[in-house]
This record gives sequence, structure tokens and C-alpha cells, in this order.
Amino acid sequence: GAGVSQSPRYKVAKRGQDVALRCDPISGHVSLFWYQQALGQGPEFLTYFQNEAQLDKSGLPSDRFFAERPEGSVSTLKIQRTQQEDSAVYLCASSLETGFRNSPLHFGNGTRLTVT
Amino acid sequence: EDQVTQSPEALRLQEGESSSLNCSYTVSGLRGLFWYRQDPGKGPEFLFTLYSAGEEKEKERLKATLTKKESFLHITAPKPEDSATYLCAASFNKFYFGSGTKLNVKP
Repeated sequence: GAGVSQSPRYKVAKRGQDVALRCDPISGHVSLFWYQQALGQGPEFLTYFQNEAQLDKSGLPSDRFFAERPEGSVSTLKIQRTQQEDSAVYLCASSLETGFRNSPLHFGNGTRLTVT
Repeated sequence: EDQVTQSPEALRLQEGESSSLNCSYTVSGLRGLFWYRQDPGKGPEFLFTLYSAGEEKEKERLKATLTKKESFLHITAPKPEDSATYLCAASFNKFYFGSGTKLNVKP
């Protein structure tokens, strides 16, 4: 596909369950980002990969959140023991280059997580 | 603390009524200022990148400008299809997003 693909589009989890969210970036894109977006708010940074290396995970809200990109393409964001405050849209974005300058982010349509 | 603030939070315009959206930033060592459009249920869609004060970029009815402390997105003679949330992001060592301006253009 031409764009960033995220699955599932919607996920309902019971409190305490583990969830895994998948992101397929644009082929050849070096950088991959995960963001969390609450209703009516802008995206909040979670973590950043350059190829398979996780260079910044400063935005992960707790040690229940874990992300990986083992082969430098597909990425998975895992949330363990989900809590109600984890309910949000999780956006994945990729960019062609590194450096936060010349390459804009290309976003997927997100996974809407609802924890009941 | 690096941050980005957008105003107004919401804006209602009549079709054809021009206006501007504001994005102020306090990111040190700015590398780029990015504007995105987000439709309901979709991810943000890239519009513009600005790099230095005085720079301007245009696309159809949209024009983005940049100063040392803020950026403006000017919308000229908007149409209902311009209704969306407009996000700006300032980049240094990461991309810092504002909360967006929700624009509603009435026919």
C-alpha cells in the first residue's frame, strides 16, 4: 500500500487485558513514531525508532507500555494490564529520513482503544 | 519547556469569510514548523513545512507564514470542505504538536 497502515482500527479491551497494536509504515521509511491522541487534543509523543533502534522512549507513560520494531519495518505497540486512562487513539507515523527537519511525518488512521 | 500553543481552539466561519489560525512555539533550536490537517477518524495529513522566519508557503486557499515565535495559517475565502482540525508541530529533537484549531465553515 501507499500509506501507513494500522491495525486493528478499533480495539475494546477489558481493564487488565493486554493489547497489541500494529503499524506498517511506508516502505523504505527510516523513522517511525508512535503518538497517543486524546479526544480534542493534539498527538502526544510516545516513542521513536530509527530503523530497528528505539532512540527515544521518553513519552511512554509507564512500564506497561512497550514498543518494538525488530526488523526495521513493522512496529508493534504493546500495552500490558490496560487501564481506563489508556483509552485514546494511538497514531503511528513514518518519515523517509531522520533529523526532524526535511521529512514530514506520514500518519496512519490510528487505532482507537477503549478500555472498559 | 518546549511547547506549542494554538489559537483559537475552535473557529466558525461563513463560506468566503477569510481568517487566520495562530501557532506559537517555544521550541529551542527549531528545525521546522509543520502544518497538518486532520479530518474526523483520520490521521493528520501533511500540508506545509516552514524553516525560517519570513518564509511563506501556499496551497490553494491556504497560506502559511513563519516568524521567530509563531506561525499563521491564513485561509482565504474558505469553503465547507476546508472544515477540519488544523494542527501545527514544531520540531527539534522530536515533533511537538499543538492541540489544534477546529475549523467549521458554514455554507
